[in-house]
Amino acid sequence: AQSVTQLGSHVSVSEGALVLLRCNYSSSVPPYLFWYVQYPNQGLQLLLKYTSAATLVKGINGFEAEFKKSETSFHLTKPSAHMSDAAEYFCAVGKPGTASKLTFGTGTRLQVTL
Amino acid sequence: NAGVMQNPRHLVRRRGQEARLRCSPMKGHSHVYWYRQLPEEGLKFMVYLQKENIIDESGMPKERFSAEFPKEGPSILRIQQVVRGDSAAYFCASSPEGPQSLNEQFFGPGTRLTVL
Repeated sequence: AQSVTQLGSHVSVSEGALVLLRCNYSSSVPPYLFWYVQYPNQGLQLLLKYTSAATLVKGINGFEAEFKKSETSFHLTKPSAHMSDAAEYFCAVGKPGTASKLTFGTGTRLQVTL
Repeated sequence: NAGVMQNPRHLVRRRGQEARLRCSPMKGHSHVYWYRQLPEEGLKFMVYLQKENIIDESGMPKERFSAEFPKEGPSILRIQQVVRGDSAAYFCASSPEGPQSLNEQFFGPGTRLTVL
């Protein structure tokens, strides 16, 4: 079984500040991990994915995430927040090597203030 | 290359009516997934289909819900005798064939179902 925990349902940062969104996973097999972003009334857009290659993964819009097996974490970071980053962010876990369902966390709403 | 298409984008039904949600996967994708998002919650897996086959329906409610992905045409998620608790956003995702897919799923814009 797989599960994801996202700590902090709401995170607020100032424009230009560091963004850190936390994700911890549980998986009985080596996982594939994903971060998706959802803007209001829209679908999900893939930010980045970890698929057992490099542990530091770079994504779109300046986001990156680091896979830490010892901590079972896959936290999302961005050095400098922009107003356009305000959205809902979802961490998800999947199984490698085969098409199968993704298990999502409950999401973190990022607010960016001036 | 068009993305995942879903229609309708918004659907209003009265209690007891049927809701049909359609999903056309990306070109070349043969795997389709349906997820439900309740207000202020994350996405919950419902069902995974390949052409003409249901692969995993572990997230589907046992009654009133069904899904299909025929050889020709879009995937359909059907909800019979809708109740207010069915009000949610329903998202479809698709993924390509082969191990290189790396389980990456591409999401549609969703259908927002409101049951009056």
